[in-house]
Amino acid sequence: GIQVEQSPPDLILQEGANSTLRCNFSDSVNNLQWFHQNPWGQLINLFYIPSGTKQNGRLSATTVATERYSLLYISSSQTTDSGVYFCAVVSLGGAQKLVFGQGTRLTINP
Amino acid sequence: NAGVMQNPRHLVRRRGQEARLRCSPMKGHSHVYWYRQLPEEGLKFMVYLQKENIIDESGMPKERFSAEFPKEGPSILRIQQVVRGDSAAYFCASSPRGRSGEETQYFGPGTRLLVL
Repeated sequence: GIQVEQSPPDLILQEGANSTLRCNFSDSVNNLQWFHQNPWGQLINLFYIPSGTKQNGRLSATTVATERYSLLYISSSQTTDSGVYFCAVVSLGGAQKLVFGQGTRLTINP
Repeated sequence: NAGVMQNPRHLVRRRGQEARLRCSPMKGHSHVYWYRQLPEEGLKFMVYLQKENIIDESGMPKERFSAEFPKEGPSILRIQQVVRGDSAAYFCASSPRGRSGEETQYFGPGTRLLVL
C-alpha cells in the first residue's frame, strides 16, 4: 500500500519562528489532508490539498502531486500551535481510506 | 451546523467487558469511517461504512470488533471482551458522498477507551 513519511519527527522552536513540515508519499493520491492534533487530543482539519497551494491565516500548504510531496508552512509560531501535525492521503484508485503519516511533533516555547 | 459527534468521550472498561462507541456524522453526510490511534502512534483505518452497508473493513481486527451504520441512528463500533491492548483513541470521520476518496473527511473529537 501507499507509504506516507513525515519529517522532521520532532521540531522545537521559539515563539515567533517560522517552520516547514514535509510529507512525502509513495504513490499518486486524490486526497491529501493536513491535521493538527492539539495537546488535548482533538484532531483539527487544517487543509484539504491534493494539489496546489492554499493559505489560511498564518498557515499555508503546498502539494506538488507530480513529485509526491506536500509542505505545511507555519509563520510567526504561537504556543497554541504546539501539538502533532499529521499528513494523510487517499491513494488514487485505491481504497477510500486515509493513510496517515507518523506525524511531526511541534513544540513552541514562549 | 454541528460537526461529527462521538460519545462517550471517555470510556473505562475492565478486561472482558464490552465497549460501544457511537458516532453521529455531520448533517447530510452518509459515509462514515472509523480510525484507531494507539498511544504515541498515528491513526490507522479500521472500517468504512455507508448507511446499512459495510464498504471496507480491511482494517478491523478479525475477532471481537464489529461496526454498523443503521438506516436510523448513529454508527456504532462495538468491541467485545476488551483487552488492555484495545486501549486507544477511536476517531470517527464522515464525508458527504464518498466520491472515490476525493472528499474531505471531517473528524470527531474521538473516544478515549481505557481498559483496566
